[in-house]
Amino acid sequence: NAGVTQTPKFQVLKTGQSMTLQCAQDMNHNSMYWYRQDPGMGLRLIYYSASEGTTDKGEVPNGYNVSRLNKREFSLRLESAAPSQTSVYFCATRDPLRAYEQYFGPGTRLTVT
Amino acid sequence: AQKVTQVQTEISVVEKEDVTLDCVYETRDTTYYLFWYKQPPSGELVFLIRRNSFDEQNEISGRYSWNFQKSTSSFNFTITASQVVDSAVYFCALSDGPGYSSASKIIFGSGTRLSIRP
Repeated sequence: NAGVTQTPKFQVLKTGQSMTLQCAQDMNHNSMYWYRQDPGMGLRLIYYSASEGTTDKGEVPNGYNVSRLNKREFSLRLESAAPSQTSVYFCATRDPLRAYEQYFGPGTRLTVT
Repeated sequence: AQKVTQVQTEISVVEKEDVTLDCVYETRDTTYYLFWYKQPPSGELVFLIRRNSFDEQNEISGRYSWNFQKSTSSFNFTITASQVVDSAVYFCALSDGPGYSSASKIIFGSGTRLSIRP
Protein backbone atom coordinates (compact mmCIF):
# COMPACT_ATOMS: atom_id res chain seq x y z
CA ASN A 1 0.00 0.00 0.00
CA ALA A 2 1.37 3.39 -0.96
CA GLY A 3 -0.83 5.26 1.54
CA VAL A 4 -1.10 8.90 0.50
CA THR A 5 0.94 10.03 -2.49
CA GLN A 6 1.51 13.55 -3.76
CA THR A 7 2.94 14.84 -7.01
CA PRO A 8 5.08 16.72 -7.68
CA LYS A 9 7.50 16.77 -4.74
CA PHE A 10 8.99 20.13 -5.74
CA GLN A 11 7.78 22.88 -8.05
CA VAL A 12 8.91 26.38 -8.95
CA LEU A 13 6.38 28.69 -10.57
CA LYS A 14 6.48 32.24 -11.83
CA THR A 15 3.87 34.68 -10.57
CA GLY A 16 0.68 34.26 -12.56
CA GLN A 17 1.31 30.71 -13.69
CA SER A 18 -1.15 27.96 -12.86
CA MET A 19 -0.65 24.42 -11.70
CA THR A 20 -2.43 21.49 -10.09
CA LEU A 21 -1.12 19.53 -7.13
CA GLN A 22 -2.20 15.92 -7.23
CA CYS A 23 -3.07 13.70 -4.27
CA ALA A 24 -4.09 10.05 -4.32
CA GLN A 25 -4.82 7.53 -1.58
CA ASP A 26 -5.27 3.79 -1.59
CA MET A 27 -6.72 3.44 1.92
CA ASN A 28 -10.38 3.75 0.90
CA HIS A 29 -10.93 6.70 3.24
CA ASN A 30 -13.83 9.04 2.58
CA SER A 31 -12.29 12.23 3.96
CA MET A 32 -9.42 14.05 2.27
CA TYR A 33 -7.74 17.36 3.15
CA TRP A 34 -5.30 19.92 1.80
CA TYR A 35 -3.09 21.89 4.19
CA ARG A 36 -0.34 24.41 3.74
CA GLN A 37 2.56 24.73 6.15
CA ASP A 38 4.39 28.00 6.58
CA PRO A 39 7.21 28.68 9.06
CA GLY A 40 5.85 29.49 12.51
CA MET A 41 2.23 28.99 11.48
CA GLY A 42 1.73 25.27 11.71
CA LEU A 43 -0.61 23.59 9.26
CA ARG A 44 -3.54 25.56 7.98
CA LEU A 45 -6.48 23.89 6.29
CA ILE A 46 -7.15 25.05 2.74
CA TYR A 47 -10.00 22.78 1.63
CA TYR A 48 -11.38 19.44 2.62
CA SER A 49 -13.70 16.83 1.18
CA ALA A 50 -15.88 14.73 3.45
CA SER A 51 -16.73 12.33 0.64
CA GLU A 52 -16.63 11.94 -3.12
CA GLY A 53 -18.51 14.80 -4.75
CA THR A 54 -18.32 17.21 -1.80
CA THR A 55 -15.79 19.89 -0.95
CA ASP A 56 -15.70 22.61 1.72
CA LYS A 57 -13.54 25.59 2.48
CA GLY A 58 -11.08 25.53 5.34
CA GLU A 59 -9.24 28.39 7.02
CA VAL A 60 -7.34 29.77 4.00
CA PRO A 61 -9.17 28.90 0.72
CA ASN A 62 -8.55 32.13 -1.21
CA GLY A 63 -6.52 31.62 -4.37
CA TYR A 64 -7.17 27.88 -4.53
CA ASN A 65 -9.69 25.51 -6.06
CA VAL A 66 -10.10 21.82 -5.45
CA SER A 67 -11.59 18.85 -7.23
CA ARG A 68 -12.57 15.53 -5.70
CA LEU A 69 -12.30 13.49 -8.86
CA ASN A 70 -13.24 10.21 -7.23
CA LYS A 71 -12.80 8.54 -3.88
CA ARG A 72 -9.04 8.12 -4.42
CA GLU A 73 -8.04 11.52 -5.79
CA PHE A 74 -8.24 15.07 -4.47
CA SER A 75 -6.45 17.79 -6.44
CA LEU A 76 -5.56 21.36 -5.51
CA ARG A 77 -5.33 24.01 -8.22
CA LEU A 78 -3.62 27.37 -8.17
CA GLU A 79 -5.12 29.38 -11.02
CA SER A 80 -2.75 32.35 -10.82
CA ALA A 81 0.12 31.69 -8.46
CA ALA A 82 1.34 34.45 -6.14
CA PRO A 83 4.53 34.65 -4.03
CA SER A 84 2.32 34.41 -0.91
CA GLN A 85 1.47 30.86 -1.97
CA THR A 86 5.07 29.75 -1.53
CA SER A 87 4.67 26.98 1.02
CA VAL A 88 4.77 23.26 1.67
CA TYR A 89 1.47 21.59 0.81
CA PHE A 90 0.28 18.45 2.51
CA CYS A 91 -2.56 16.20 1.51
CA ALA A 92 -4.15 14.01 4.17
CA THR A 93 -6.87 11.43 4.60
CA ARG A 94 -8.76 10.44 7.68
CA ASP A 95 -9.56 6.98 8.99
CA PRO A 96 -13.02 6.59 10.57
CA LEU A 97 -12.04 3.26 12.10
CA ARG A 98 -9.22 4.81 14.11
CA ALA A 99 -11.09 7.73 15.66
CA TYR A 100 -10.38 9.80 12.60
CA GLU A 101 -6.61 9.71 12.81
CA GLN A 102 -5.12 11.55 9.86
CA TYR A 103 -2.58 10.13 7.42
CA PHE A 104 -0.39 12.59 5.56
CA GLY A 105 1.32 12.52 2.22
CA PRO A 106 5.01 13.46 1.94
CA GLY A 107 4.29 17.05 0.93
CA THR A 108 4.91 19.29 -2.10
CA ARG A 109 7.35 22.16 -1.74
CA LEU A 110 6.14 25.01 -3.93
CA THR A 111 8.08 28.19 -4.62
CA VAL A 112 6.49 31.09 -6.49
CA THR A 113 8.93 33.72 -7.76
CA ALA B 1 -14.49 28.79 17.22
CA GLN B 2 -11.90 26.08 17.70
CA LYS B 3 -8.36 27.07 18.49
CA VAL B 4 -5.14 25.35 19.49
CA THR B 5 -2.34 27.29 21.16
CA GLN B 6 1.22 26.09 21.59
CA VAL B 7 2.90 28.97 23.38
CA GLN B 8 6.42 27.53 23.21
CA THR B 9 7.72 28.19 19.72
CA GLU B 10 11.16 26.71 20.42
CA ILE B 11 12.65 24.65 23.22
CA SER B 12 16.26 23.56 23.54
CA VAL B 13 17.46 21.12 26.19
CA VAL B 14 20.47 18.93 26.80
CA GLU B 15 20.12 15.23 26.12
CA LYS B 16 18.64 13.18 28.99
CA GLU B 17 16.70 16.12 30.38
CA ASP B 18 12.92 15.85 30.67
CA VAL B 19 10.91 18.31 28.59
CA THR B 20 7.22 19.23 28.49
CA LEU B 21 5.46 20.71 25.49
CA ASP B 22 2.31 22.64 26.35
CA CYS B 23 -0.94 22.66 24.39
CA VAL B 24 -4.07 24.62 25.25
CA TYR B 25 -7.24 24.31 23.21
CA GLU B 26 -10.60 26.01 22.84
CA THR B 27 -13.79 24.38 21.64
CA ARG B 28 -17.52 24.58 22.29
CA ASP B 29 -18.04 20.93 21.41
CA THR B 30 -18.56 18.39 24.16
CA THR B 31 -17.20 15.61 22.00
CA TYR B 32 -13.85 16.17 20.39
CA TYR B 33 -10.47 14.54 19.75
CA LEU B 34 -6.99 15.80 20.50
CA PHE B 35 -3.85 14.69 18.70
CA TRP B 36 -0.09 15.08 18.80
CA TYR B 37 2.02 14.80 15.65
CA LYS B 38 5.79 14.82 15.19
CA GLN B 39 7.54 16.34 12.19
CA PRO B 40 11.22 15.32 12.09
CA PRO B 41 13.75 17.20 9.94
CA SER B 42 12.89 14.93 7.01
CA GLY B 43 9.52 16.68 6.84
CA GLU B 44 6.93 13.93 7.11
CA LEU B 45 4.17 14.10 9.71
CA VAL B 46 4.07 11.22 12.16
CA PHE B 47 1.05 10.48 14.32
CA LEU B 48 1.87 10.07 18.03
CA ILE B 49 -1.38 9.92 19.97
CA ARG B 50 -5.10 10.62 19.93
CA ARG B 51 -7.31 11.27 22.96
CA ASN B 52 -11.08 11.69 23.03
CA SER B 53 -12.78 14.22 25.27
CA PHE B 54 -14.33 11.56 27.50
CA ASP B 55 -11.07 9.90 28.42
CA GLU B 56 -8.99 11.93 30.84
CA GLN B 57 -6.62 9.17 31.79
CA ASN B 58 -3.00 10.03 31.29
CA GLU B 59 -1.11 7.88 28.85
CA ILE B 60 2.45 6.68 28.80
CA SER B 61 4.25 5.14 25.86
CA GLY B 62 7.89 4.47 26.60
CA ARG B 63 9.57 7.81 27.21
CA TYR B 64 6.49 9.72 26.04
CA SER B 65 3.58 10.69 28.27
CA TRP B 66 0.53 12.86 27.84
CA ASN B 67 -1.45 14.75 30.46
CA PHE B 68 -5.01 15.64 29.43
CA GLN B 69 -6.89 18.01 31.75
CA LYS B 70 -10.34 19.17 30.64
CA SER B 71 -10.58 21.59 33.55
CA THR B 72 -7.75 23.65 32.11
CA SER B 73 -8.31 22.68 28.43
CA SER B 74 -4.78 21.40 28.19
CA PHE B 75 -3.16 18.38 26.58
CA ASN B 76 0.52 18.49 27.45
CA PHE B 77 3.24 16.19 26.15
CA THR B 78 6.29 15.16 28.16
CA ILE B 79 9.42 13.44 26.90
CA THR B 80 11.44 11.79 29.65
CA ALA B 81 15.20 11.35 29.27
CA SER B 82 15.21 13.14 25.94
CA GLN B 83 17.39 11.94 23.09
CA VAL B 84 18.83 13.69 20.05
CA VAL B 85 16.42 11.70 17.84
CA ASP B 86 13.55 13.49 19.57
CA SER B 87 14.56 16.71 17.84
CA ALA B 88 11.60 17.70 15.68
CA VAL B 89 8.66 20.04 15.43
CA TYR B 90 5.70 18.81 17.46
CA PHE B 91 2.12 19.76 16.65
CA CYS B 92 -0.92 19.57 18.85
CA ALA B 93 -4.26 19.33 17.01
CA LEU B 94 -7.98 19.41 17.77
CA SER B 95 -10.79 17.74 15.85
CA ASP B 96 -13.93 19.84 15.86
CA GLY B 97 -17.44 18.52 15.73
CA PRO B 98 -18.70 15.07 16.62
CA GLY B 99 -15.93 12.54 16.83
CA TYR B 100 -17.39 10.24 14.19
CA SER B 101 -18.34 12.88 11.67
CA SER B 102 -16.62 12.42 8.37
CA ALA B 103 -16.91 16.14 7.77
CA SER B 104 -15.13 17.27 10.90
CA LYS B 105 -11.88 19.16 10.50
CA ILE B 106 -8.62 19.00 12.38
CA ILE B 107 -7.16 22.31 13.51
CA PHE B 108 -3.43 22.42 14.24
CA GLY B 109 -1.41 24.54 16.61
CA SER B 110 1.56 26.46 15.29
CA GLY B 111 4.03 23.86 16.53
CA THR B 112 6.92 23.70 18.98
CA ARG B 113 10.41 23.19 17.61
CA LEU B 114 12.31 20.94 20.02
CA SER B 115 16.08 20.73 19.83
CA ILE B 116 17.95 18.18 21.90
CA ARG B 117 21.65 19.00 22.30
CA PRO B 118 24.11 16.13 22.83
